[in-house]
Amino acid sequence: DVKVTQSSRYLVKRTGEKVFLECVQDMDHENMFWYRQDPGLGLRLIYFSYDVKMKEKGDIPEGYSVSREKKERFSLILESASTNQTSMYLCASSFGTAGGVSYEQYFGPGTRLTVT
Amino acid sequence: GQNIDQPTEMTATEGAIVQINCTYQTSGFNGLFWYQQHAGEAPTFLSYNVLDGLEEKGRFSSFLSRSKGYSYLLLKELQMKDSASYLCAVTESGYSTLTFGKGTMLLVSP
Repeated sequence: DVKVTQSSRYLVKRTGEKVFLECVQDMDHENMFWYRQDPGLGLRLIYFSYDVKMKEKGDIPEGYSVSREKKERFSLILESASTNQTSMYLCASSFGTAGGVSYEQYFGPGTRLTVT
Repeated sequence: GQNIDQPTEMTATEGAIVQINCTYQTSGFNGLFWYQQHAGEAPTFLSYNVLDGLEEKGRFSSFLSRSKGYSYLLLKELQMKDSASYLCAVTESGYSTLTFGKGTMLLVSP
């Protein structure tokens, strides 16, 4: 069974704090993704990584950075948390694209972050 | 850019059939995914369509028309546990990323 785990289900941080969200997958997937999900806006891609130490910006990377030092682990960093980063953060992983075929993404349970 | 549209909400009755539509406009379209997401939980994979036509998986079926930029998810014999948000997502050729629609909240009533 594919497992994607996230370090916290709920997190409360203060404005200006540095926040680390950790994600670990156990399926040897090449790709890992960070999304945020907000009511009325759906799932939006923040950053993704297709290999160790590689990262690509998604649709809304401002205010975030990422780190992928090991294949199974992908971290999302909020350098200086702000109230507009209050959201549900979802991590996902998948195999890399091959022969024109895309593979399903497996999602973690999510971290509900509140910035006060 | 990409534009994906799906209805915000739908309601249906237990035992009935419901069709959730998704239209998209994207360059380099490769395939379309459907995910189910129960409240407070992670999205889970339902289907992936690359070619035109209908793919059936038990009570759930998904259809794709590449020329019309259109897909639907068909749920038969609805059960209360089918109350969830259904997310349509498209992928482009050569890319592993998904672009999601805003989701359709389905409420199944007795």
